[in-house]
Amino acid sequence: DAGVTQSPTHLIKTRGQQVTLRCSPKSGHDTVSWYQQALGQGPQFIFQYYEEEERQRGNFPDRFSGHQFPNYSSELNVNALLLGDSALYLCASSLGRLVYNEQFFGPGTRLTVL
Amino acid sequence: AQSVAQPEDQVNVAEGNPLTVKCTYSVSGNPYLFWYVQYPNRGLQFLLKYITGDNLVKGSYGFEAEFNKSQTSFHLKKPSALVSDSALYFCAVRALSGTYKYIFGTGTRLKVLA
Repeated sequence: DAGVTQSPTHLIKTRGQQVTLRCSPKSGHDTVSWYQQALGQGPQFIFQYYEEEERQRGNFPDRFSGHQFPNYSSELNVNALLLGDSALYLCASSLGRLVYNEQFFGPGTRLTVL
Repeated sequence: AQSVAQPEDQVNVAEGNPLTVKCTYSVSGNPYLFWYVQYPNRGLQFLLKYITGDNLVKGSYGFEAEFNKSQTSFHLKKPSALVSDSALYFCAVRALSGTYKYIFGTGTRLKVLA
């Protein structure tokens, strides 16, 4: 049973560029959440997708956008990259219809903005 | 507003001794509490969760956590530490209703000394 997978593993971009990160949820899961983890910090909630809609959003600017596909996989897009966007981006999946369920995390994508 | 505090950046414990990693939280209404562990260059791995019921929750790898409503705490414990338990531990909280957003603490690095 495949867990949560993310691609790419590492990414280097320059300021002002745009980036797309991808996530495939654990088999059977229909909800995907994205987190930003800066060095030495805990994960910060970016947004959650359920049934192809953004269900909730954290305190991130509109430069951060996402999408969920019919197969429940998801993309995170970041436009106009800033140096401060350098972080580990984590994807987590869960079962949306269950209230009392834990999230399963992928290994993350390390984004470096130069 | 929801928040999580992990007051210790690092905890050192000798192998075989009991360990405690502290977590306090603030949430409107009843909390949904988690502990996750992160190994170097890896995503977060679920350890245990508290929803309701027994205040002592047992999880993976011999870890347990004690929920204390009056002190708004959810400390992680293990009776006998192993060197392989050395990792970064995160406490997280979510209100049981009205939000899908998980709030993570800043993490506590556990170092088990042989």
